[in-house]
Amino acid sequence: AQTVTQSQPEMSVQEAETVTLSCTYDTSENNYYLFWYKQPPSRQMILVIRQEAYKQQNATENRFSVNFQKAAKSFSLKISDSQLGDTAMYFCAFLTPARNMLTFGGGTRLMVKP
Amino acid sequence: NAGVTQTPKFQVLKTGQSMTLQCAQDMNHEYMSWYRQDPGMGLRLIHYSVGAGITDQGEVPNGYNVSRSTTEDFPLRLLSAAPSQTSVYFCASRRAGRFYEQYFGPGTRLTVT
Repeated sequence: AQTVTQSQPEMSVQEAETVTLSCTYDTSENNYYLFWYKQPPSRQMILVIRQEAYKQQNATENRFSVNFQKAAKSFSLKISDSQLGDTAMYFCAFLTPARNMLTFGGGTRLMVKP
Repeated sequence: NAGVTQTPKFQVLKTGQSMTLQCAQDMNHEYMSWYRQDPGMGLRLIHYSVGAGITDQGEVPNGYNVSRSTTEDFPLRLLSAAPSQTSVYFCASRRAGRFYEQYFGPGTRLTVT
């Protein structure tokens, strides 16, 4: 079975500081994709960043970057220069082409404080 | 493009009632799927389709039916609603082979009393 675990149900960070959200996953597949989604109070699922497992280089999107440790099956998200608009639920997700379905973690609620 | 649209945005049902949640996309995507999100949890796959006329079960399919007669539409049917189906429902779509580009609809909040 494929599972995704987010061990931090809630986190808070001061505006302009850096925060790291943790995610671990379990799979026997070698070809897969990892994602971080943001869900603000509007409920809309917004893709923040993605990583292909075959790529060694960590993905970066502006203030968002990941630390992908394939051997450890770890995929953490770092948010630099946190902004009030970053307040949201963050979900780590995993997809294998063979199964064609996204498997989500339980989420981390992030609060950015002014 | 409107992207992925879902109707209604909110719905309240009584136990035993039936209804259909609508999902449409205008991007000519082959893959469409339905997820449910329960409070404090991530999304779980209910059913998915890889093209018109082809559907398959996901992780939590019981109590739901789907069909896909066109590329654009993928309705989700609840035949006899139960309180356990109270949830937020998301429809998603993507192009075949583009595993990293899932597009989500805005969600439907369903309450079954």
